[in-house]
Amino acid sequence: DTEVTQTPKHLVMGMTNKKSLKCEQHMGHRAMYWYKQKAKKPPELMFVYSYEKLSINESVPSRFSPECPNSSLLNLHLHALQPEDSALYLCASSQDAALPWGGASGSSGANVLTFGAGSRLTVL
Amino acid sequence: AQTVTQSQPEMSVQEAETVTLSCTYDTSESDYYLFWYKQPPSRQMILVIRQEAYKQQNATENRFSVNFQKAAKSFSLKISDSQLGDAAMYFCAYDRDDKIIFGKGTRLHILP
Repeated sequence: DTEVTQTPKHLVMGMTNKKSLKCEQHMGHRAMYWYKQKAKKPPELMFVYSYEKLSINESVPSRFSPECPNSSLLNLHLHALQPEDSALYLCASSQDAALPWGGASGSSGANVLTFGAGSRLTVL
Repeated sequence: AQTVTQSQPEMSVQEAETVTLSCTYDTSESDYYLFWYKQPPSRQMILVIRQEAYKQQNATENRFSVNFQKAAKSFSLKISDSQLGDAAMYFCAYDRDDKIIFGKGTRLHILP
């Protein structure tokens, strides 16, 4: 059983649709992440939410927008996506933050990530 | 800039045998963390093992152990007594100052 829950597991949407991916963790972790993973590739970090601050990978298009209603939820809103956005979207959490674009969070490192099972997105 | 290289896109091993997955990284830092994550087909990614760079002792977790060679910037994963459930994509990852970098992964096949 995963301790990071992602819904839905599969999503098919058209390019004009608006949909959302949801992620929830109940481990008291203070950081949550969205990753995009293409087939046979490593995960690519999209967003980090930690200590009530959102860090954005500047290469992520604005058609993806994260929302953090509370410390245990991190949603990803999708709008006007393109077929190349089809991928596995992974949510993860960690006790402290991992900020790949620099800027120490003050943690001691060793940010062990707990991943969800992923949401497989297909954009038609 | 830090990089993580996994030079073996795919590997196969006979069940019950031992296999070693290689990982090298490039950094100018002396204090950092290294991880191996496992991603089985259609299943979630999980942590296999982690190593703190300031510790000389190689980390072990049951059948999984690492060979950490700090001077050579090498961090290989050894899986002993391979089982069918070990079949997965394995990612090596580097973490320093809250900056996590993944390698491209090695797909491990277990032959019955």
